[in-house]
Amino acid sequence: SQQGEEDPQALSIQEGENATMNCSYKTSINNLQWYRQNSGRGLVHLILIRSNEREKHSGRLRVTLDTSKKSSSLLITASRAADTASYFCATKEGSTLGRLYFGRGTQLTVWP
Amino acid sequence: NAGVTQTPKFQVLKTGQSMTLQCAQDMNHEYMSWYRQDPGMGLRLIHYSVGAGITDQGEVPNGYNVSRSTTEDFPLRLLSAAPSQTSVYFCASSYSITTGEGYTFGSGTRLTVV
Repeated sequence: SQQGEEDPQALSIQEGENATMNCSYKTSINNLQWYRQNSGRGLVHLILIRSNEREKHSGRLRVTLDTSKKSSSLLITASRAADTASYFCATKEGSTLGRLYFGRGTQLTVWP
Repeated sequence: NAGVTQTPKFQVLKTGQSMTLQCAQDMNHEYMSWYRQDPGMGLRLIHYSVGAGITDQGEVPNGYNVSRSTTEDFPLRLLSAAPSQTSVYFCASSYSITTGEGYTFGSGTRLTVV
C-alpha cells in the first residue's frame, strides 16, 4: 500500500494542551498534506509541505517534514474542544501526476 | 455556492444493481478524485482524473468505472453492486495538488449494499 501511517491512532488531551500527530510514509514524495475530518463530514485541507521544506506554520498548526526518515508531524498548539476531529496525512508521490494517498488517520479528542 | 457537490447523500442498493454517484464542481478544477472511506482503513483512492477526457486507476478500482467528459463533472459508476462496496464515498477536486491548495472535498455519499 502507498498509504501513509499516522501515529497514534487515537489521542485524548485537555483543552490548552498541545497535540502532536505523526505520519510515516514509504516512497519518495513531491509533497505531504494534512487534512481534518469532523464526524460525518468531508475532509478539510489544513496545510501542505513540499519535499524541499522542513517546517511550515499556519496559525496554531506546525508541520515538520523529515524526508530522510520519511516522516512528518503535525503539532496543534493550545488545543480547543473544537479541534476534536480525525486528522489525516496524505502524500503526493513525485512520479505520479494526480494521485494523492491518505493514511488511516488519528482521532483527536480534546476535553473541555 | 462554490464547492464540490455530491449526490445522492444516502443510497441503499441491492446486490447486483448498478448506479451512478454524481460529483460536480464549479471551481474550474482540473484534478478530481474518488475515494472510499471504510472504518479503520482511512481513504482509499478509486479513480482520478487530471483533466477532461483523462482518467486513471487508483488503489481500488475494481467494480467501478469513471468518465470525465467535462471539467465540471466526474461521475462514479458501480457496475454490479456488492456488499463489499458498502462504504462512504468522497469526491474531491483541486486546481493543483502540487501547490498550497490541496483538495476540496464533497460531503460524501453513504452507500449500503444489501
